Amino acid sequence: QLQLVESGGGVVQPGRSLRLSCAVSGYMFSSYGMHWVRQAPGKGPEWVAGIWFDGNKKDYADSVKGRFSISRDNFNNTVFLQMNTLRVEDSAVYYCATSSFSLLDYWGQGTLVTVSS
Amino acid sequence: DIVMTQSPDSLAVSLGERATLNCKSSQSVLYNSNSYVAWFQQKPGQPPKLLISGASTRESGVPDRFSGSGSGTDFTLTISSLQAEDVALYYCHQYYNSPWTFGQGTKVELK
Repeated sequence: QLQLVESGGGVVQPGRSLRLSCAVSGYMFSSYGMHWVRQAPGKGPEWVAGIWFDGNKKDYADSVKGRFSISRDNFNNTVFLQMNTLRVEDSAVYYCATSSFSLLDYWGQGTLVTVSS
Repeated sequence: DIVMTQSPDSLAVSLGERATLNCKSSQSVLYNSNSYVAWFQQKPGQPPKLLISGASTRESGVPDRFSGSGSGTDFTLTISSLQAEDVALYYCHQYYNSPWTFGQGTKVELK
């Protein structure tokens, strides 16, 4: 059974950093892309970053480019999102999602990030 | 960026009645006869759940009262006979190119 479990969220001050993790089980992790999508309270989902199956290609939303970095560990079936220079507007629930042929098909339950002074 | 615009913003439908949700993309998301549009359902406190991919392919386990249609830039999600458990937010999503984008959502409620 496919499971995605995010962790690492919390409350952080503007300008600080946070690292999110997403552990995946029951899935051929190393064969598929992985993405992070966030959703601010009362808003629709916003794609944040994606990484190809082998980690050789990465892509970012303009809103996080230069501040966030996505990576993966195919040995431990985990994808990460390093978030630096956090802003208040980065506050959201962050979901990791699997990707088959670019489709974001399975999502985790999410981890809440709150950026506040 | 491809902008996905959904209509209406909210929809009140009686039990057993049809619900029709619309989504328009700012440019074509058609490639090799495939439309790269998906529909998600989201209930409070839960992640979005994939219902439809490729504009019209129902995911495994999704009731057949849900159907998707459309091509190019105009897409529709139809719930043929609304059930109480279908009350939720629905988002269309394009995965044709980066950045992946979502519509603003349509809230389906019971009348």
